[in-house]
Amino acid sequence: DTGVSQDPRHKITKRGQNVTFRCDPISEHNRLYWYRQTLGQGPEFLTYFQNEAQLEKSRLLSDRFSAERPKGSFSTLEIQRTEQGDSAMYLCASSHSRGHEQYFGPGTRLTVT
Amino acid sequence: QKEVEQNSGPLSVPEGAIASLNCTYSDRGSQSFFWYRQYSGKSPELIMFIYSNGDKEDGRFTAQLNKASQYVSLLIRDSQPSDSATYLCAVKASGTYKYIFGTGTRLKVLA
Repeated sequence: DTGVSQDPRHKITKRGQNVTFRCDPISEHNRLYWYRQTLGQGPEFLTYFQNEAQLEKSRLLSDRFSAERPKGSFSTLEIQRTEQGDSAMYLCASSHSRGHEQYFGPGTRLTVT
Repeated sequence: QKEVEQNSGPLSVPEGAIASLNCTYSDRGSQSFFWYRQYSGKSPELIMFIYSNGDKEDGRFTAQLNKASQYVSLLIRDSQPSDSATYLCAVKASGTYKYIFGTGTRLKVLA
């Protein structure tokens, strides 16, 4: 069983560009989470999917952020019109419906120049 | 505002000693608690979870939970230099799907 995978691992983009990240959860996990982490901080919750349904979204998430999980498997996180403040590590985690333990992917490090 | 508080450290312990990491949380309704280890530049790795009051042991790690006092701790026995990392405490918030993370405690194990 492979763990959670994320692609790309690193992304450098210019301010104002759109970026999209992908997350593939552990195969039998139906719960998927996106987080953002900046230096010296813990991961900050962005959004949660149960199967294909987006059940919770952080109020901190501006309308420039959108996430999808169309078939209940992989998920994408898109950031439109990126700003320098979006520079962070974007983490995906998944868990099984039988438990609350989350397992993180390696993350996508975004740098906005 | 539901919060999770940790001492940022660094906490320095000699090799072979017991490292004790503490975490307090504000959400009295929380039922699920987690400890993650994070090496610099890497993603968090789940090392312990605890749902009931008391102690839970796994190898060199022991998680302790006291819901009445709203704290959870992690003990690392026989600390090794490879244990040097940031340890994140996470709490599943009540009534939501959110997990709230502390800012982490940086542990240094001195050889």
